[in-house]
Amino acid sequence: GESVGLHLPTLSVQEGDNSIINCAYSNSASDYFIWYKQESGKGPQFIIDIRSNMDKRQGQRVTVLLNKTVKHLSLQIAATQPGDSAVYFCAEEETSGSRLTFGEGTQLTVNP
Amino acid sequence: NAGVTQTPKFQVLKTGQSMTLQCAQDMNHNSMYWYRQDPGMGLRLIYYSASEGTTDKGEVPNGYNVSRLNKREFSLRLESAAPSQTSVYFCASRWGGQGYEQYFGPGTRLTVT
Repeated sequence: GESVGLHLPTLSVQEGDNSIINCAYSNSASDYFIWYKQESGKGPQFIIDIRSNMDKRQGQRVTVLLNKTVKHLSLQIAATQPGDSAVYFCAEEETSGSRLTFGEGTQLTVNP
Repeated sequence: NAGVTQTPKFQVLKTGQSMTLQCAQDMNHNSMYWYRQDPGMGLRLIYYSASEGTTDKGEVPNGYNVSRLNKREFSLRLESAAPSQTSVYFCASRWGGQGYEQYFGPGTRLTVT
């Protein structure tokens, strides 16, 4: 079936560096994408989303890039801080869909 | 606003026991969802309710039932718990359908022995 997956299960960066978390999706009908952050012992928390009519969207210290040609999504975090340490999930949804499909997640560790 | 609340936070069951996980949201959201998350894995959809009065199966519905009690509340029931249902369960809600972000509760950690 259709799936959403991540290239890197773990990512370790130094405090102050920029982080890039990647996500591949296979459902060509997906047109809404979203990134969540999950800290240990907590529920996922919304970070940023993007629709397929855009290829870039920026938030506070975060940028999401969408490449529909190769079905690839990435989350960039600028000046990564220890508080950014968490598992990051991408998720996708079809136009006619009523539910999100989540990827497996990437563990981001920020070293002081 | 409390957002999405879930009870209980932790639960231990013996195989064959039943229980109901409770979820409530105070954001006037139309859609509600139940997910399970196994160690080191992503979220898998169990059941969802696109609007009050409707429920639909997700990816892994076997062994579960749901009730959309009213617009605020969406419960998940395990009729006969099995060790394979040991997991963390998250409830989520959102205002509309596609294109709206989901808000998640803090989760219920369930262990079935």
